[in-house]
This record gives sequence, C-alpha cells and structure tokens, in this order.
Amino acid sequence: KNEVEQSPQNLTAQEGEFITINCSYSVGISALHWLQQHPGGGIVSLFMLSSGKKKHGRLIATINIQEKHSSLHITASHPRDSAVYICAVLNNNDMRFGAGTRLTVKP
Amino acid sequence: EPEVTQTPSHQVTQMGQEVILRCVPISNHLYFYWYRQILGQKVEFLVSFYNNEISEKSEIFDDQFSVERPDGSNFTLKIRSTKLEDSAMYFCASSSDHGVGGYTFGSGTRLTVV
Repeated sequence: KNEVEQSPQNLTAQEGEFITINCSYSVGISALHWLQQHPGGGIVSLFMLSSGKKKHGRLIATINIQEKHSSLHITASHPRDSAVYICAVLNNNDMRFGAGTRLTVKP
Repeated sequence: EPEVTQTPSHQVTQMGQEVILRCVPISNHLYFYWYRQILGQKVEFLVSFYNNEISEKSEIFDDQFSVERPDGSNFTLKIRSTKLEDSAMYFCASSSDHGVGGYTFGSGTRLTVV
C-alpha cells in the first residue's frame, strides 16, 4: 500500500467548476505539501499545512490530522489550472509523494 | 522572487558515463534536496543535505550517487556510472527550515541515458 494516496487520478472539469482533490496518508507527518506540476515538468509549491486550513486566491487546502486526510479545492476553475497536483508528506527527514492528480479544465 | 536554479535543463549521456547535475539553491536556505521523477511515475526522494553532510537518503541513493556543496553556493548530484534506468527528471529543492515552511523547487534537469 502506498503511504500517500491521491484521488481521483484524473479529473476533467468545465471552466468555472469547483474542484476537490483528496489525499490520504498512512504515516506520521510533520507537514503536508500540495504541489503543482506544469506540463513542462516544473514543480511549484502551493501550500504547506500542519493543521487547519489555508487559502491563497482561488485555492484552499485543508488537513485533518486525526483522519490523516487533506483536500485541495479550486474555486471557479480556469483552463490555466490544468496541471498535475501532487500531495507530499514530510516524514522524518524525507518527503513522500503521491502519484498526483491530473486536472484538465476545459473552456 | 528567489529561485532555485538548475543546470543543464537537459543532458544526454552515454551509459556508463559520469554526470554531474548542478543546482544553485536560494542563498539563505540551509536544507537541500534532490528528487527524481521517472517519466510517467511519481516523484521520489533521493537525498537531503544539511550542514555539509547527508541527513537522509533513500534506498535509491546507492553508491553510484553522491552529493556535494563544493563552494557554498552550488549543490551538485553526481551519478558515477549512469545506467539506462537513471533516465529521469531530477529536481533540486531547498528550504530554510527543513520543509516545514515550504520548499522551493528548481525547474529540473532532464537526464537521458542512451
């Protein structure tokens, strides 16, 4: 079993829709990261969470430490949000990655 | 905004050759990392580096890999004798506080071993 599981694996949405991507993990963590990987391969750090909720623009990330679950929400989705979204957890001294959710937002 | 810079962006090498991938982390960051992503697969941790020594390494990071901070600004990953399966995108990242406050990733080096 993977230590970090993401769902869905692929997601297609129409522009303007509300998006939710889920992440569950099975190890103890000190922090959870949401990353965005663009089609060209570059990785951008979106959020780091250790508790509660964070908001940045149209992006919202939440984490429930007891349930070992985090969600990334995108409000009013736009085609430029199309990317792979990766959940990664910081466990001891290394980072464990989910397989990513490929989001395609159609105009 | 400060960036992590990786060079080259793409390197092609013959199997068995040594390669050095270079990274310039953000200047006031203290923790440095290498990750790799084989095409179509998830990102994998290779190694973390702090205070001029390796603080953690994965099972992927075997004897053919080494890291170095030769001059206080560069952070390099050396692969001693490349194999076909080393073909991947290699990402460098740095953080000021071991990732708790966030990481900054470089744009990656695509290594192709032929």
